[in-house]
Amino acid sequence: AQKVTQAQTEISVVEKEDVTLDCVYETRDTTYYLFWYKQPPSGELVFLIRRNSFDEQNEISGRYSWNFQKSTSSFNFTITASQVVDSAVYFCALSEMNTGFQKLVFGTGTRLLVSP
Amino acid sequence: DAGVIQSPRHEVTEMGQEVTLRCKPISGHDYLFWYRQTMMRGLELLIYFNNNVPIDDSGMPEDRFSAKMPNASFSTLKIQPSEPRDSAVYFCASSSESSGANVLTFGAGSRLTVL
Repeated sequence: AQKVTQAQTEISVVEKEDVTLDCVYETRDTTYYLFWYKQPPSGELVFLIRRNSFDEQNEISGRYSWNFQKSTSSFNFTITASQVVDSAVYFCALSEMNTGFQKLVFGTGTRLLVSP
Repeated sequence: DAGVIQSPRHEVTEMGQEVTLRCKPISGHDYLFWYRQTMMRGLELLIYFNNNVPIDDSGMPEDRFSAKMPNASFSTLKIQPSEPRDSAVYFCASSSESSGANVLTFGAGSRLTVL
């Protein structure tokens, strides 16, 4: 069965610090997708990134970067030089071919608090 | 585009009452999803539609819950009768086949409180 674990419930940092949010997944499928979503205080979930299981290249988008390692079943998210606007709950998610790529299973989320 | 539109944003009702949540997906999107978010269970997929047809409703908690999509621009999630344990934020999301169908755009959510 597919499962996503975000062991960090809450992280507090001071502005400009780097922070890494951990995501560990479980799946028996060889073909799957991994995602990160951001849920700011306004409540709406915002898509950040999608990676498929065949693409282990790390990705960088501005201050955001993602490290995908199949060997450890992890898909970690790093924010460099954090800002107050990064304060939100961040969700990692997984969808797999066997159960349908449209069915995303979400982790429990990590609440990030960035203080000035 | 206005994004995914949900109404009402907040609903407070008494146990036993019928609740109807509404969703307008992004125009041109062919998938629509209903998720529920609670502190205890996190984000759960309730049901999803493709081209207005329900594909998977295995996440619907029980017969008190029903969802319909009469056309490409409107969906409802109904709870009848409502119970306090149904209190949650209900999200609607949509996606398009052209983006792989699993890049979801979420609405702002409907916060339901059942007293």
